[in-house]
Amino acid sequence: DAGITQSPRHKVTETGTPVTLRCHQTENHRYMYWYRQDPGHGLRLIHYSYGVKDTDKGEVSDGYSVSRSKTEDFLLTLESATSSQTSVYFCAISELQGNGYTFGSGTRLTVV
Amino acid sequence: DQQVKQNSPSLSVQEGRISILNCDYTNSMFDYFLWYKKYPAEGPTFLISISSIKDKNEDGRFTVFLNKSAKHLSLHIVPSQPGDSAVYFCAASARQGAQKLVFGQGTRLTINP
Repeated sequence: DAGITQSPRHKVTETGTPVTLRCHQTENHRYMYWYRQDPGHGLRLIHYSYGVKDTDKGEVSDGYSVSRSKTEDFLLTLESATSSQTSVYFCAISELQGNGYTFGSGTRLTVV
Repeated sequence: DQQVKQNSPSLSVQEGRISILNCDYTNSMFDYFLWYKKYPAEGPTFLISISSIKDKNEDGRFTVFLNKSAKHLSLHIVPSQPGDSAVYFCAASARQGAQKLVFGQGTRLTINP
């Protein structure tokens, strides 16, 4: 979907290094989310934002931080990457909380 | 605590037949349910939804059924086509409380020619 882009699409990083994933939207939606997808677990919420500078934790937030300084950008940072954070990360946006989300194409992160 | 469960990791169906994907939930506050479809290397895309005030919603070949008393919903695809091969995620939210979507583990559907 052209309204939401994630970067990078793929990344390999070493254990202990910081990593930042970017989500950019052009839809002016208020809500933005970061999920991770892992086999057997489906999509699990890491963090979400309900406005500029307004963020909150999801169910698997340990080891992750987020920032939203502009409506269009939502950054996910792994402060010190671990192998357990190897996953596919999806950003999503929505106009209304609890309604359907539009997802980005994902970032495949491998921590070696 | 898995609030939304898809107990079948995979399902294989012959082309032209009906595919039935199932989903169970535990939170009685959920009042809005959705199905997403995901192809490899792509993000999930919205397929169909249903509000708790209904028990059925149709969109072309796709129908979602909701049984609130059993806390169960199902997605029917008929007839199944090869392009339907994908991972399907069930999701739920409590819109009254403006809650976030909670997703199931996903079911990989394979349509065989």
